[in-house]
Amino acid sequence: GAVVSQHPSRVICKSGTSVKIECRSLDFQATTMFWYRQFPKQSLMLMATSNEGSKATYEQGVEKDKFLINHASLTLSTLTVTSAHPEDSSFYICSAPTVFGGNSPLHFGNGTRLTVT
Amino acid sequence: EDQVTQSPEALRLQEGESSSLNCSYTVSGLRGLFWYRQDPGKGPEFLFTLYSAGEEKEKERLKATLTKKESFLHITAPKPEDSATYLCAVQPFGNTPLVFGKGTRLSVIA
Repeated sequence: GAVVSQHPSRVICKSGTSVKIECRSLDFQATTMFWYRQFPKQSLMLMATSNEGSKATYEQGVEKDKFLINHASLTLSTLTVTSAHPEDSSFYICSAPTVFGGNSPLHFGNGTRLTVT
Repeated sequence: EDQVTQSPEALRLQEGESSSLNCSYTVSGLRGLFWYRQDPGKGPEFLFTLYSAGEEKEKERLKATLTKKESFLHITAPKPEDSATYLCAVQPFGNTPLVFGKGTRLSVIA
């Protein structure tokens, strides 16, 4: 089945530093990837849509300068949390459909637990 | 506005005690409805896609059904390893993203 790999699984950083999270599609090409954020006991909140070779599309209320997204190849998207603050602490999850635009289900990475101290 | 409501928020079952989880949705046009399982600290794992009212899908102890307003995830004779959060999501027509419910936290006690 389709596999999405996300790294790192956990990261602890100091306030003011930047953190990069990688998302790779291992056995399929993903022209589009999605980045979600999840708070405890809450549902997934879409942050942005990452498009290979073009700019990401951000959801309302998500700061594009704070959450930098790069989709450099058909198998890799990165999310960089810049100048992280404690309120950025959360569970970040990436996902990709095997076929964009159809009924293909999203396949998710295993998430990254970010703790900002 | 497209919306997904899951109930109950949490469910505790004895091993072998069958039950159903509900996913009610309002959407302008349904392209597909998805069920996912999420274990603590992990990303969601895809279970089923349902496309039209009347459709049913089965996998081991799980069966998903769909009507025009809701979907049910039936769990037959659950085991402790079925404990997880079950998420429902709808894909509207057009270029809009998936809409997720808040999930049902299922605990199956031996």
